[in-house]
Amino acid sequence: GAVVSQHPSWVICKSGTSVKIECRSLDFQATTMFWYRQFPKQSLMLMATSNEGSKATYEQGVEKDKFLINHASLTLSTLTVTSAHPEDSSFYICSARDPIAGNTETQYFGPGTRLLVL
Amino acid sequence: QKEVEQDPGPLSVPEGAIVSLNCTYSNSAFQYFMWYRQYSRKGPELLMYTYSSGNKEDGRFTAQVDKSSKYISLFIRDSQPSDSATYLCATKTNTGNQFYFGTGTSLTVIP
Repeated sequence: GAVVSQHPSWVICKSGTSVKIECRSLDFQATTMFWYRQFPKQSLMLMATSNEGSKATYEQGVEKDKFLINHASLTLSTLTVTSAHPEDSSFYICSARDPIAGNTETQYFGPGTRLLVL
Repeated sequence: QKEVEQDPGPLSVPEGAIVSLNCTYSNSAFQYFMWYRQYSRKGPELLMYTYSSGNKEDGRFTAQVDKSSKYISLFIRDSQPSDSATYLCATKTNTGNQFYFGTGTSLTVIP
């Protein structure tokens, strides 16, 4: 199956700093990637849809100036949490669709990035 | 009403048992149905994928979709301790990008 990686796998930062999370599709080109956050014992919450070469589409209630998304190439999308606060502490997961694979409607998830803001 | 409802469990079964995991959904436009397995502190892993109604089998796993009752199921036969994880159902329409996830069911298989 398609492989998606994320870096870093975990990060601890001080309140007020910015954190960048990378999402890469390793063996396929992804025109569309998705960013989710997940709180303990809760399901995935879609934050934004990242489209290569264009602006991301944010879900209602997600601050686009706080969660900056860049999808500069067909294999890389980045999420930057700006001026992070403790309430931003969460598990951030990206996913990507493989437009070439037989199941074009499925998403392949990265391993997630655990962010802790002190 | 949530788009997808899933009993969070937790569900605990002995090794070798048959496990039944279920979700209901409200939007009749959903056409794609997925099951993901998520181990603790890891990203979800695609297990099964079906389109429209019917059954799909893959080894010990069987996915069922009943569109008339808006009910989706995942059956695990001969459950193993390594099956212990959280199982998420997900759906989407033909045209939209957005996936709708259930809250996940936590499963523990006891040796």
